[in-house]
Amino acid sequence: DVKVTQSSRYLVKRTGEKVFLECVQDMDHENMFWYRQDPGLGLRLIYFSYDVKMKEKGDIPEGYSVSREKKERFSLILESASTNQTSMYLCASTAPGEGLETQYFGPGTRLLVL
Amino acid sequence: SQKIEQNSEALNIQEGKTATLTCNYTNYSPAYLQWYRQDPGRGPVFLLLIRENEKEKRKERLKVTFDTTLKQSLFHITASQPADSATYLCALARGSARQLTFGSGTQLTVLP
Repeated sequence: DVKVTQSSRYLVKRTGEKVFLECVQDMDHENMFWYRQDPGLGLRLIYFSYDVKMKEKGDIPEGYSVSREKKERFSLILESASTNQTSMYLCASTAPGEGLETQYFGPGTRLLVL
Repeated sequence: SQKIEQNSEALNIQEGKTATLTCNYTNYSPAYLQWYRQDPGRGPVFLLLIRENEKEKRKERLKVTFDTTLKQSLFHITASQPADSATYLCALARGSARQLTFGSGTQLTVLP
């Protein structure tokens, strides 16, 4: 059974802290994504990766960075957390190729920055 | 710029009726469109994919249509049940990694 896990379900951090959110998938997928979800705004793409050590900016990359050292693991880093980064963060993965377009999502991490 | 709109934030219907959700897009030429279901506090779960050369797709009580001329997809749930209550998201793929752009979702409530 397909599985995407995220390191924390809930996280509370202080302004200025460095925050690491980790995502692991067990499906040997090449493509991995980080989204944030806010009420009324839907899911917005922060960063994505199509291979180990490869990363691309999404629609809202400011204030974030990512790391993909292993195929199964994709980390989102908030270099200096701010209150406007309070949100639900969702990781997803998918394989390339026709017929494999489904994105599999993790359960999400609800981050509160105080 | 590219835009996806789901025209109802919330939709309430009576159990047994057909729910119809709408997704409109502009400035896109998507190869396919997807629908996802999201329950509170959980990640989205894939439901259906429809390609640009397909007019209609069905899966059990779900039906999706795709009109590339109108730039619109309709998502139907027939014989709706309270367990169908959730937020439904439409998404369009773009780019080489097929990153998704999501609509803001429609919260469906099926009343018993």
